[in-house]
Amino acid sequence: GIQVEQSPPDLILQEGANSTLRCNFSDSVNNLQWFHQNPWGQLINLFYIPSGTKQNGRLSATTVATERYSLLYISSSQTTDSGVYFCAVERSGGYQKVTFGIGTKLQVIP
Amino acid sequence: KAGVTQTPRYLIKTRGQQVTLSCSPISGHRSVSWYQQTPGQGLQFLFEYFSETQRNKGNFPGRFSGRQFSNSRSEMNVSTLELGDSALYLCASSLMASGGLNEQFFGPGTRLTVL
Repeated sequence: GIQVEQSPPDLILQEGANSTLRCNFSDSVNNLQWFHQNPWGQLINLFYIPSGTKQNGRLSATTVATERYSLLYISSSQTTDSGVYFCAVERSGGYQKVTFGIGTKLQVIP
Repeated sequence: KAGVTQTPRYLIKTRGQQVTLSCSPISGHRSVSWYQQTPGQGLQFLFEYFSETQRNKGNFPGRFSGRQFSNSRSEMNVSTLELGDSALYLCASSLMASGGLNEQFFGPGTRLTVL
């Protein structure tokens, strides 16, 4: 099946710092989505981004489908950004349609 | 518009028992997917339903089953529980007929503990 690798696995930031999270995938995908899981387990949609660039406030994402990677940028990080960030991809067919990466655990300290 | 709701939020069962979890999607959404999240395996896709039909399934044993009702509410059932079934079970709904990621919106999850 498709492999989804996220890096770094863990990240500690000082409040106000910027960061880049990466998601690499091993095969062509139809769709890609970034999620933030808060400490209570709730998965929150950040971006639905099969290709191109999107921005939402302090967050932005870029997917280069032809090179099989996506990047999530967090600027001016805040303590509320803490949690785990997941990348999920969907391929066009096959047995397991949706695959999640293992996530990047982000801790923002004041 | 109300989000995805899951009940119950927490559940404790013993080995060998069975459990049923419920998910109500966002109003108007007809696709419901289920995921299992564990520390060791991460987030894994269980199955997806659309218009009461299972459209796709992940690599889980037959003890895991599900169904969807005409109002798009979905249930998943796990029979003969094992310790390894302890996990956070997440439900997601989406609007698009083709299912898959298509901007999935997740519920708060049901945390199942098997003793």
